[in-house]
This record gives sequence, structure tokens and C-alpha cells, in this order.
Amino acid sequence: ETGVTQTPRHLVMGMTNKKSLKCEQHLGHNAMYWYKQSAKKPLELMFVYSLEERVENNSVPSRFSPECPNSSHLFLHLHTLQPEDSALYLCASSQEITSDSPLHFGNGTRLTVT
Amino acid sequence: AQTVTQSQPEMSVQEAETVTLSCTYDTSESDYYLFWYKQPPSRQMILVIRQEAYKQQNATENRFSVNFQKAAKSFSLKISDSQLGDAAMYFCAYRLGNTDKLIFGTGTRLQVFP
Repeated sequence: ETGVTQTPRHLVMGMTNKKSLKCEQHLGHNAMYWYKQSAKKPLELMFVYSLEERVENNSVPSRFSPECPNSSHLFLHLHTLQPEDSALYLCASSQEITSDSPLHFGNGTRLTVT
Repeated sequence: AQTVTQSQPEMSVQEAETVTLSCTYDTSESDYYLFWYKQPPSRQMILVIRQEAYKQQNATENRFSVNFQKAAKSFSLKISDSQLGDAAMYFCAYRLGNTDKLIFGTGTRLQVFP
């Protein structure tokens, strides 16, 4: 049990599809994050939510749309993606968004856009 | 720009031996936290160790210790008595005080040979 659960584990979608990634944390944390992990590149922060309010949108294209209905759940809605969006998408949570709160990560969703 | 550099894309170590993974970072701030994360094949990012920049004493967690050189902006990870389960990608990261952004390096793949 990781404390942060992501589904699905793998996703293959066409460029015209609409899909959603789901993240759930069981740790009672107040902050949740989406990261993108591409080969040979540093992890890229995409979105940050604190107490269900978005506090960071790191210049992410609008084809990625986050949703945080409550402090335990975070979604990433995908539509009209490009092949370069293929990557591992990692969800994380932390007690607070302060710098001394370590992040707890899920196992990620491996996304392939065809 | 604030960056984290891991100059060793791959490292290998014999079981029971010691290995050091290097990390340098670039920031003009004085208040920040440093982290090492491990990502095994399961893809989950696991916190290995963290260091507060204001503390001079190097952090230690069992077989894992860091060599934190603040003036040189260096934060290396030493793994003693290496075990097969230590094989993974290791990411160095830092987070500025009172921010939600964790800056990652590109990672070092560690192989452990029996």
C-alpha cells in the first residue's frame, strides 16, 4: 500500500480521444501534485493543489485539465493529446505545500499517445 | 535558472560495497531543502533522505548518508553496504523555502551486481 494510488497503470489513447487519469491519496495530506516524467528529462511539475485550490499551473497546455474535487482525489483530464505527450504521469501528495513537507508519490500512469 | 545536475547517468556497484552518487544544484537562495528520491522498477518515487540547508550536520538514514557542501552547492548520496534492492533510478531534488516547486535532476541509474 503506497498511500497514493494512481489508475490506470497504463493507458494508450489516440490523439482524438478523451481520457482521465485518477489519483487518490490515503494519507490525510492537504496538497496534491501532477508531475510529468519523460525519458532523460527532469521531472516537470504540472499542477499543484492545496486544499482543493489550484496554486500552480506550470505553463501546461490546455489539453491537460486538472480537477481536484476534494483533498483526497485528483484527476487529470486529457483531450486531443499529441504524441510528445507520451510519458509517465506521476501524482504526489504532501502534508502541506511548504518546502519541508516531503512528497509521497504514486506508481504513475504510463501514457502512450498514438 | 534554478537547476539540479546529476552528472552520472549510470553507476554500478558490487553488493556490500559503497557507492556515491553526485548532485549539484544552482540557487541564489539560502533557505531550501534537499532530497534524494529512489525510483525502482515499480515506478514509485520513494523518499530516501532529506537535508535542511540551514543544518551543517549531514543527514543519515541507516545505510544512506549525504555529503552536503553548501558553499559548493553539492549534495552527494553515499550508499553503504549496497544491496540488490538498492538498484533503481536515484533523483536529487531541492525545494526553496515556502514554495511548492520541487526541482529535480535527470537521475542516476544505479545497478548493483552480486
